[in-house]
Amino acid sequence: GIQVEQSPPDLILQEGANSTLRCNFSDSVNNLQWFHQNPWGQLINLFYIPSGTKQNGRLSATTVATERYSLLYISSSQTTDSGVYFCAVALSGTYKYIFGTGTRLKVLA
Amino acid sequence: GAGVSQSPRYKVAKRGQDVALRCDPISGHVSLFWYQQALGQGPEFLTYFQNEAQLDKSGLPSDRFFAERPEGSVSTLKIQRTQQEDSAVYLCASSFSHPYAYNEQFFGPGTRLTVL
Repeated sequence: GIQVEQSPPDLILQEGANSTLRCNFSDSVNNLQWFHQNPWGQLINLFYIPSGTKQNGRLSATTVATERYSLLYISSSQTTDSGVYFCAVALSGTYKYIFGTGTRLKVLA
Repeated sequence: GAGVSQSPRYKVAKRGQDVALRCDPISGHVSLFWYQQALGQGPEFLTYFQNEAQLDKSGLPSDRFFAERPEGSVSTLKIQRTQQEDSAVYLCASSFSHPYAYNEQFFGPGTRLTVL
């Protein structure tokens, strides 16, 4: 089955720092989302981005589907950015989202 | 509210009890998904509904797990004769359109099930 790997697995930042999270996947996908799971467990949609680049405030994401990876950029990090970031992909012609291993982010004040 | 809601938020069951978990998707969303998230892991797919039809139940871990969506809106995940390994967070997600196309999924807050 498809493999979805995220890096780094853990990240500690000082408030105000920038970071890049990576998601590699092993097969062609037609759906890809980035989520932030907050400390209360809620999965918050960040981006629906099967290809291309999107920006939303301090966050932006790029997916290069032909090279099978996606990047999530966080700029000027805040303590409220802490939590686990997941990418999830669905293979072309399927609807099951396969979640990556997650990146656990902690932002220190 | 406009989001996906789930109830109860927390459920403690004694081993062997039956439980029922409810999901209210976003109004008008055709597709509904259930996922199971073990501690420290990412969510894993359980089952999928398109309107009232259960099109995929390949992720259900055993025949003790049963899901329904009789009117194409609210869904219930039922677990019979709960076991300790069923302890997890159960997440529901919905999306507007046919899932092979644009398939942005929106998740509910989850139900944390603890089986003693």
